[in-house]
Order: sequence, then C-alpha cells, then structure tokens
Amino acid sequence: EVQLTESGGGLVQPGGSLRLSCAASGFTFSHYNLDWVRQAPGKGLEWVSYINSRSDTIYYADSVKGRFTISRDNAKNSLYLQMHSLRDEDTAVYYCARDGGMAGVMDVWGQGTTVTVSS
Amino acid sequence: SYVLTQPPSVSVAPGETARITCEGNNIGTKSVHWYQQKPGQAPVLVIYSNNDRPSGIPERFSGSNSGNTATLTINRVEAGDEADYYCHVWDSSSEHHVFGGGTKLTVL
Repeated sequence: EVQLTESGGGLVQPGGSLRLSCAASGFTFSHYNLDWVRQAPGKGLEWVSYINSRSDTIYYADSVKGRFTISRDNAKNSLYLQMHSLRDEDTAVYYCARDGGMAGVMDVWGQGTTVTVSS
Repeated sequence: SYVLTQPPSVSVAPGETARITCEGNNIGTKSVHWYQQKPGQAPVLVIYSNNDRPSGIPERFSGSNSGNTATLTINRVEAGDEADYYCHVWDSSSEHHVFGGGTKLTVL
C-alpha cells in the first residue's frame, strides 16, 4: 500500500524551531517529487514547499522562504521540513504529498501532523 | 501571484448535480486538479489534469476547464459527497503551487 506518514509536530513557542518528518512506503520514493502543504485551523490548503527527486530543485512559498528548509533522504525513504523562527500563523496541520508527475498533481497525501505555535 | 477563486459554498439536493467553479486568469491554459477533503481527514485527489479520474473515484465526478473557469461536476450527488473541495494548479511563472480557497459542498 502506498503510504506517507508524517511525524514531529507539537507545541512550540514563537521564535522556536521544529523538524517534521514524512516516511514513505509502498512506492519507489527516489522516483518522485514531493511537497509539504499546510492547513491552518478552519482554513484552506496552503502549499509550503516542493523538492524534486534529486533534491536539486526546491521551491518555497513566500510566507516561509528563509525560515523553512525542505530536504529528503532517498536512502531512508524520508522527507523533512526544518522550521525556524516559527510564528503564530505557522500553526497548522502539515501534510506531505507525493507529486504524481502530471502538472504537479498531488496524488498521495499523508494524514498530517499538527504544529501549534503558542506561548 | 496567481490566484484561484472558488465560491465558499454550494448546496444541492441528493440526486441532483453539483457544479463547483474555480476561476483564474486564463486557467484554461493550465492543468487543474481537484481534491475532496472530509472533516478531520487528509485531502483526496478526485480529478487530475482537468478531467481525468484516479482509480477508485466514481464516474459521477468529472471536470472541465476553459477560458477563465474550471469546473468540478458531481452528478447524482450523494450524502457521502458532502465535503470541502479544492482546486489546484502549478503556476510555472511563479514556480508555486496554488490552491483555491475551497468550496464547502452541502447535501441538503
């Protein structure tokens, strides 16, 4: 079964840091591009970051550029999101998603991990 | 930056047809994807590349895209279709993924 499983969420103070992980199984991880997408409480989906299969192309949403870093370890079938200088508005459920290869379609999603930024 | 606009809500009776629109500048030149999200769950892809259905998605779901409007159509709506629906494109100009604001489908 194709699966993505996020972890690493939690409560962090404003200005703090957190590292999210996404473990993949059931498909050839190294062949796929990946994304992080977040959803603030009661709000819509917001794309956060993209990384291609070889880690040589990376994009960020303007709202996180300079504070978040996406990375992956193909040997460990894992995707990561390092988050620094966290703000209240970063509070959200963070999903990892597989890029299915057709114009950026996100064809597989994890169940999400919750990040709460609060003092 | 590229903007996608969806109506906040759409209501339809069971058995009727629901149409959810997604407006964007010349969106007809882009590939549009649609996701269904039920409360407390992750999004699920229901339409990709404008009008293709992933395996397991009922034929009642279809999509179209032309001009400045993409549309998700759900025929013979069922109670289980009640959910939030999001449109999505890749904007090559900004190198950003863009989601619409989402539409809550209510089955009356």
